[in-house]
Amino acid sequence: AQSVTQPDIHITVSEGASLELRCNYSYGATPYLFWYVQSPGQGLQLLLKYFSGDTLVQGIKGFEAEFKRSQSSFNLRKPSVHWSDAAEYFCAVGALYNQGGKLIFGQGTELSVKP
Amino acid sequence: NAGVMQNPRHLVRRRGQEARLRCSPMKGHSHVYWYRQLPEEGLKFMVYLQKENIIDESGMPKERFSAEFPKEGPSILRIQQVVRGDSAAYFCASSEADTQYFGPGTRLTVL
Repeated sequence: AQSVTQPDIHITVSEGASLELRCNYSYGATPYLFWYVQSPGQGLQLLLKYFSGDTLVQGIKGFEAEFKRSQSSFNLRKPSVHWSDAAEYFCAVGALYNQGGKLIFGQGTELSVKP
Repeated sequence: NAGVMQNPRHLVRRRGQEARLRCSPMKGHSHVYWYRQLPEEGLKFMVYLQKENIIDESGMPKERFSAEFPKEGPSILRIQQVVRGDSAAYFCASSEADTQYFGPGTRLTVL
């Protein structure tokens, strides 16, 4: 079955500390992987995506993620967290639009940032 | 280039009424996806449409829910005879190739 697991429902980090949000997936075909961020009451904003090539991808707002096929993981990282990063983060896996295109989302990780 | 637009942003309906949610994709995008987010949960796929065609409706409830994306105008998600369990945030996304861009969502409350 196709699924995405984000093991951490809620994480709290201090401002300036490093961050890693975990994401594991189960997908039968070549996975296309995404991280989105959702602020309260808002829609989802794309942080970064992985389709192929270099397994370390850079995104907006200083985020990066590393695709590890052997571990079926696509963890999101940031070296120094800012208070404005407090939000909910969703990992998603999907296919090309001509192969169905729908995204399967994890349950999300809520990030709180301590001053 | 305007992003994905959804309206209304908030919708309140009483049980048994109909809800119509609208989504205007980004300019040049011909693929539209609808997702539902229940409280404390991630997004769940509902339906994938291209102009005048439903491509995948595997996530749509069998009854009361329908979707369309006409040749002209926005995509519509229609929920007939709403029940309290339909209360959720409904998000639309559009794409032209491989990346989906999301709208701000419509938050439906059923009283």
